[in-house]
This record gives sequence, structure tokens and C-alpha cells, in this order.
Amino acid sequence: AQKITQTQPGMFVQEKEAVTLDCTYDTSDPSYGLFWYKQPSSGEMIFLIYQGSYDQQNATEGRYSLNFQKARKSANLVISASQLGDSAMYFCAMREVPGAGSYQLTFGKGTKLSVIP
Amino acid sequence: NAGVTQTPKFRILKIGQSMTLQCAQDMNHNYMYWYRQDPGMGLKLIYYSVGAGITDKGEVPNGYNVSRSTTEDFPLRLELAAPSQTSVYFCASSYIQTSRPGNTIYFGEGSWLTVV
Repeated sequence: AQKITQTQPGMFVQEKEAVTLDCTYDTSDPSYGLFWYKQPSSGEMIFLIYQGSYDQQNATEGRYSLNFQKARKSANLVISASQLGDSAMYFCAMREVPGAGSYQLTFGKGTKLSVIP
Repeated sequence: NAGVTQTPKFRILKIGQSMTLQCAQDMNHNYMYWYRQDPGMGLKLIYYSVGAGITDKGEVPNGYNVSRSTTEDFPLRLELAAPSQTSVYFCASSYIQTSRPGNTIYFGEGSWLTVV
């Protein structure tokens, strides 16, 4: 079974509207962290937001928020007031603790977001 | 404020050639990683290191070797390049202090490798 599942290969959103990118995860570790990264066409990986498994509140960073539903094992990224510069690939990733001991991030396949003017 | 630096950014290799991707970080991070990203896919772990002198295999280690002689440097060696190694390679680092999942992993800008 995949550890991180992103079911939306591509999404379109109108500029200034909000969009939700889905992410579900699978782990048996009680302690884990969920990350979202943005990868624009230039290729770099940009960290957006982090949610810990023990965090009581949903994480927020500017226009980004994470809708964390622990019982459903979902960690959806919400982008409010979309901008043209938000057009990119978005990756959900998980770090399990202790996991395999590498503290690595396991990535989903990504969602390509296109913002329409 | 360099962060994680990878070189080269682009490289074309012929089948059977060898090369080394260089990676350096200046944040005194103990953990370093090499990932590869195939077209339309997420990143997969090749090798990682928990500190100088200690390395271990990730999910897709075949055809690669690494070394970690210093905290700063973590080169990735491709031996006998094959077309299946055409990919984008990312070096990354993180400071892991305790069993806490929140430490951010910082990525280099990526190295585009084509094997023909």
C-alpha cells in the first residue's frame, strides 16, 4: 500500500479563488509529520507547511492551511486567494518516527495546479 | 546563505560512463539525503547519511554509491550509467535532534541527468 496518496493528478482554479489539494496517508507509527512542498517549473522544492501528528490545531502559513483529519488519515492543503504564481506541482510528504530510522520524507506523486486568470 | 548546493545542474552521460554529483550544505545538518525524481512522479530515496562516516541505502540504491567523509559533503556516484538513471536528482539535508518529526528537510536545486 502506498504511504502517501494524492488522487488529483491535475487541478484548475480561478485566480483569487480557494483550492483544496487532497492527501491521504498510511502509517502505523504514532508519531509522524506531514509536509507540503511546492515545485514550480524551475524545479526547486519549496517547503510550504508542516503538521505534526500530535498538533491539536491545523497548521497555517499565510495563504496556506492544512486541513488535518487524523482519524481519516488525511492532510489536505488549502490555498486561499489563488495567484498565478501558485501554478506548480504540489507534493504531500510524510516523515514517520521512528519509521526506518532515516527520518526521510516519503512523497506522494503530486498534484499539478494550474491557476487560470 | 547558500543552504544546500548541488553541482552540476545539467549533465548528459553516455551509457557506461561514470560521474559524481556533488552536494554540500553549510547548515551543520547531521542528516543528508539523495533523492531521484522521475517524470510525473514524487521523489524516491536513493541513499542517506546520519552523520560523517555513516551511510545507508534507501528505496532505490542500485547503481549508485555514496560517501560522507565530512559533515558538509555528500557526493553521489553513478557507476556504469544506464538509461534508467535518467532523472532529476535532489540532495537534501536536515537537522535531526530528537525523535521529533517536525525538522524541515532542505533541498538543493536539483541536477538534471540524461543518459543516452
